[in-house]
Amino acid sequence: EPEVTQTPSHQVTQMGQEVILRCVPISNHLYFYWYRQILGQKVEFLVSFYNNEISEKSEIFDDQFSVERPDGSNFTLKIRSTKLEDSAMYFCASSSGTSGSEQYFGPGTRLTVT
Amino acid sequence: LAKTTQPISMDSYEGQEVNITCSHNNIATNDYITWYQQFPSQGPRFIIQGYKTKVTNEVASLFIPADRKSSTLSLPRVSLSDTAVYYCLGYGGSQGNLIFGKGTKLSVKP
Repeated sequence: EPEVTQTPSHQVTQMGQEVILRCVPISNHLYFYWYRQILGQKVEFLVSFYNNEISEKSEIFDDQFSVERPDGSNFTLKIRSTKLEDSAMYFCASSSGTSGSEQYFGPGTRLTVT
Repeated sequence: LAKTTQPISMDSYEGQEVNITCSHNNIATNDYITWYQQFPSQGPRFIIQGYKTKVTNEVASLFIPADRKSSTLSLPRVSLSDTAVYYCLGYGGSQGNLIFGKGTKLSVKP
């Protein structure tokens, strides 16, 4: 069964450093998403991406965040200058359609900012 | 389906049928009702989706009454491995981002 993969599984970084979280969506999917989940809290939407541009973003996704699809397979989330409150589990998801389509989630990257 | 209400937690025993009900009073005409499952430290996983009446797959059944203001996820004969958080949720935005609530934490005991 095809699956979404994410690397690294765990990233530790110091406050103010830049991090790049990587995702490989399912190959024939066209819609890509990033979500995050702070420990003990609900999953929150960050951004959706389609046709090489951001479709929608939440209030969380401020100027410190950016996404990119540098080639035909990878989808990255960059946090320019990390803050303590960015510590969370970050999930990438992909789907073949929009509303009503099943989204496939990756295993997540646990980001710890110290 | 923007705002959903479901129990915070439920306990069950192995072999029992578990029913988790979700209220979604403001459901729009074209909204689907979707349920996801999340194990600790893993990404959410799609379980089932429906629009009206009843939908069944190899994992669960979903019952939706005629007014569509609620839905019930039914898990037949649960096992310890069904211990997880179950989310009833809808889609938002123009590209269908998922809107998660706090979900229902199901604990299955031996």
